[in-house]
Amino acid sequence: DQQVKQNSPSLSVQEGRISILNCDYTNSMFDYFLWYKKYPAEGPTFLISISSIKDKNEDGRFTVFLNKSAKHLSLHIVPSQPGDSAVYFCAASGDNDMRFGAGTRLTVKP
Amino acid sequence: DSGVTQTPKHLITATGQRVTLRCSPRSGDLSVYWYQQSLDQGLQFLIQYYNGEERAKGNILERFSAQQFPDLHSELNLSSLELGDSALYFCASSQTGNGPLEQYFGPGTRLTVT
Repeated sequence: DQQVKQNSPSLSVQEGRISILNCDYTNSMFDYFLWYKKYPAEGPTFLISISSIKDKNEDGRFTVFLNKSAKHLSLHIVPSQPGDSAVYFCAASGDNDMRFGAGTRLTVKP
Repeated sequence: DSGVTQTPKHLITATGQRVTLRCSPRSGDLSVYWYQQSLDQGLQFLIQYYNGEERAKGNILERFSAQQFPDLHSELNLSSLELGDSALYFCASSQTGNGPLEQYFGPGTRLTVT
């Protein structure tokens, strides 16, 4: 059962433009959401998170938006840089459970 | 460097065999998580330990088991290995086992079953 879905396996954007990565979840018990970035041959690294009591959290170039009614979250990267090219996983946690999406491979072209 | 170490980095073994993967959490972290990432799949949560005790269980097969030792390092044991067990196995740690906290991941162990 895929409780967390990232429907776009890949995304390509031009350097300097906005990257928008999307994530949907089904379990209403999830109350904390995280984004991780993964480079090849490395483990995922934490990027940004948001609690269900908020609808937006910003950290530099990275902003996560949460729409609880739609069970949808998104990660915005502005401006995108070539070094942002990686696989991005969204994760949802709650009730002693954590689920990850399948990941979206972002490519930022110079 | 996340501070989480995993050994070995690569492991090649035959079907039917048993292997042990090892993880040392970040200094001060009490909770350890194990994940499996198969080809082009997301991270599948297997199991979590907190201060030596099992805290949560995910999609972990009965052929797999784990434990966390008094020094907080953890081992994941995989037995009666099948070809489909070939995957990247990640360990992650967090400060506590309560609530949603950022987890810090190790570099992973790549297991190949032939």
